[in-house]
Amino acid sequence: LAKTTQPISMDSYEGQEVNITCSHNNIATNDYITWYQQFPSQGPRFIIQGYKTKVTNEVASLFIPADRKSSTLSLPRVSLSDTAVYYCLVVAGGYQKVTFGTGTKLQVIP
Amino acid sequence: ETGVTQTPRHLVMGMTNKKSLKCEQHLGHNAMYWYKQSAKKPLELMFVYNFKEQTENNSVPSRFSPECPNSSHLFLHLHTLQPEDSALYLCASSPTPAGTGRTNQPQHFGDGTRLSIL
Repeated sequence: LAKTTQPISMDSYEGQEVNITCSHNNIATNDYITWYQQFPSQGPRFIIQGYKTKVTNEVASLFIPADRKSSTLSLPRVSLSDTAVYYCLVVAGGYQKVTFGTGTKLQVIP
Repeated sequence: ETGVTQTPRHLVMGMTNKKSLKCEQHLGHNAMYWYKQSAKKPLELMFVYNFKEQTENNSVPSRFSPECPNSSHLFLHLHTLQPEDSALYLCASSPTPAGTGRTNQPQHFGDGTRLSIL
């Protein structure tokens, strides 16, 4: 399983764009990059998944460079409700044994 | 609403009690999971079920006994637990079992059962 490294915590003001970068130097050819969000006392929620280049949905964008050794989750114009822990996972396609790290605790400040 | 419902949301029990956690999903998924999340520790995968069959046991102590009667329901039977077993227990489901599918199918989580062992 590819190991991921992401910042332990980040602070941001409301309305700003937040970029959280995850390093995954030993990512394998059939691995996908997946991000989850977790609020206190709730289960993680899937945000976005990608394999290469850029993926965008109604919540976030995911940027993956050509070497795929890192990825950046971009949250546009964050609000207080985006305060949560964000997890970066690298998992092989179809594989179920996913490993969550400690994640990045994002604190949005008014 | 995630489509995965866990009951009870909170549970306090003594070390000699026997209790069960229940998970139900209405998403038509055929894989279900139990995770443990202790304070200040990452989520730990405990068990994986595919089409009602257990396919992964991540070295979980026998005082935790899972049961999957069908693809929509998953139970975790608890007995003789220890104080260090106090944690948030999360259930998840996904649409694709291991070894199939080209993409990684994200897991859908319930909101967990907060378990406290006295």
